[in-house]
Amino acid sequence: KQEVTQIPAALSVPEGENLVLNCSFTDSAIYNLQWFRQDPGKGLTSLLLIQSSQREQTSGRLNASLDKSSGRSTLYIAASQPGDSATYLCVPTAGGTSYGKLTFGQGTILTVHP
Amino acid sequence: SQTIHQWPATLVQPVGSPLSLECTVEGTSNPNLYWYRQAAGRGLQLLFYSVGIGQISSEVPQNLSASRPQDRQFILSSKKLLLSDSGFYLCAWTGVGQGTFGYTFGSGTRLTVV
Repeated sequence: KQEVTQIPAALSVPEGENLVLNCSFTDSAIYNLQWFRQDPGKGLTSLLLIQSSQREQTSGRLNASLDKSSGRSTLYIAASQPGDSATYLCVPTAGGTSYGKLTFGQGTILTVHP
Repeated sequence: SQTIHQWPATLVQPVGSPLSLECTVEGTSNPNLYWYRQAAGRGLQLLFYSVGIGQISSEVPQNLSASRPQDRQFILSSKKLLLSDSGFYLCAWTGVGQGTFGYTFGSGTRLTVV
């Protein structure tokens, strides 16, 4: 059974800092991995999608890396802004016999202060 | 481009009343469709998924049911709501076989059963 752990659980930083959000998952048989953000009371917004054959993806100030064999992914946020405040979710998509199933952790709650 | 619509955004219903939440996807055909629930302070739980019209798979036994009357329409229902049905309901879709296999989520429905 896939389990996802995100560290830290919560992070509060001043504006402008470079951030590292860590994710680990127990089953490396994944098809891909997505990073989402969720604003309070809102749905999930996809930030980055990394295929299992890829090592990283970049979009603007965001960079996500994937080490499938060790079950780790990291989201880097450069020059953080108050608008980055949200919950960040690392979500692996299962491969193999559980094809397509998503597993959610508790996420990292990020607060960026002006 | 593909879009996903979910309504209503907020719903307050008395215990024992019926429920109908609707989700529609535009700009794609034959999507895989999903219903998730997020209880307060907890992660997302998969309730139902559908790979085609009339094809519904249930992940957990509960007081809810799902239907897919059209290719791009997914409905979550209940005949009699329970207090424990309160939560944030999210619809999602993905296009299997289209290469990216990324998930897109709707904006969610906040259901409060009173």
